[in-house]
Amino acid sequence: QLQLQESGPGLVKPSETLSLTCTVSGGSISSSSYYWGWIRQPPGKGLEWIGSIYYSGSTYYNPSLKSRVTISVDTSKNQFSLKLSSVTAADTAVYYCARRTVTIRIPYYYYYMDVWGKGTTVTVSS
Amino acid sequence: EIVLTQSPGTLSLSPGERATLSCRASQSVSSSYLAWYQQKPGQAPRLLIYGASSRATGIPDRFSGSGSGTDFTLTISRLEPEDFAVYYCQQYGSSPKLTFGGGTKVEIK
Repeated sequence: QLQLQESGPGLVKPSETLSLTCTVSGGSISSSSYYWGWIRQPPGKGLEWIGSIYYSGSTYYNPSLKSRVTISVDTSKNQFSLKLSSVTAADTAVYYCARRTVTIRIPYYYYYMDVWGKGTTVTVSS
Repeated sequence: EIVLTQSPGTLSLSPGERATLSCRASQSVSSSYLAWYQQKPGQAPRLLIYGASSRATGIPDRFSGSGSGTDFTLTISRLEPEDFAVYYCQQYGSSPKLTFGGGTKVEIK
């Protein structure tokens, strides 16, 4: 059974870079059917997609965060990572990694996020 | 940018009642790109519905999705105690590539 696990510092200082890693177990990150993504949720608020990556390294980001976000993949370790630079208190959130699956039933393509990590809380504070 | 607006913000119902949740898109969304998730406190979201109306693996048939274009609905036919949670709709496709609605909380009346 595929599992995702987020890891990284729980406390980051303002203006510094937040770095998180998602480890994929029970399956390969190098599958052609999947993208791998990061989503965050500020305390008491809704979900915000940050960006996604394919095992080849192809990425796409939320335009609202694009200037500060880098997502990378390490297929040898079955991991993908998030870096968010110049953080402020507004970046305090639970950060989730998730798998985006595509199901094809000709002529339709279905996209959804079907496997999620448990989430990790990141607080931005001095 | 496609904005998803969910209503109502909070739905107060009793176990056994029917819940009807709305998700309205600011522009037309392909049905195959519309999903619904359930989130309980302290947990990650769980996929319920994809393609607007297809139940994900293991999801009870009391959950159903419908709609097209700009109007989508999640229906829970008879609320069980474990169904009280927050529900999010999500679309894939237009920039930003993936967006979520603001959520509807289904609470016990």
